[in-house]
Amino acid sequence: ETGVTQSPTHLIKTRGQQVTLRCSSQSGHNTVSWYQQALGQGPQFIFQYYREEENGRGNFPPRFSGLQFPNYSSELNVNALELDDSALYLCASSAGRVNFNVQQYFGPGTRLTVT
Amino acid sequence: QKEVEQDPGPLSVPEGAIVSLNCTYSNSAFQYFMWYRQYSRKGPELLMYTYSSGNKEDGRFTAQVDKSSKYISLFIRDSQPSDSATYLCAMSEGGGSNYKLTFGKGTLLTVNP
Repeated sequence: ETGVTQSPTHLIKTRGQQVTLRCSSQSGHNTVSWYQQALGQGPQFIFQYYREEENGRGNFPPRFSGLQFPNYSSELNVNALELDDSALYLCASSAGRVNFNVQQYFGPGTRLTVT
Repeated sequence: QKEVEQDPGPLSVPEGAIVSLNCTYSNSAFQYFMWYRQYSRKGPELLMYTYSSGNKEDGRFTAQVDKSSKYISLFIRDSQPSDSATYLCAMSEGGGSNYKLTFGKGTLLTVNP
């Protein structure tokens, strides 16, 4: 086990709704990244937070937003859900920003289905 | 052209076989190379981590990186049914703001008893 937890495990939402996914990082890990994994694909980088500030973003629209809290927890928020947002959402924590970032430890994911 | 290419398989081998998994990439700035194992409906689990070119061995697993060819490999010796999973290669430029992992599509491996 990586010590990274995510909730909920599964979620079903309707197109146009908003959703919040949660992640609890390993203790001491001050960096969290979020990834979207569509069925049959590798994870795609959404964004990363370091010490509660966004540290970089992938090719995802602004309706994907996040927060990181001092207690090693974080959130991914998605507004105006679209059918293509159906995927496994993974968070990954790591111990630092420079160099240590590459060793990212993933949670089990939240499977989101948009109908 | 995708930054990271990985044959999705599926790959089916008998127990005890040597398995070879490969990825190619186009971004010459990648310096860190990783292999993750992902069981069905689980998050990826870090298996091997290599910086720059060379080989790294950990038990039955060997990772190889050839930066001149932009080619990385993972070898699994004496494969076991418990090795059945999707194997994802991932790469990073590393350092500063170049932190994100870029993944291949994953190769689905089945080891038959």
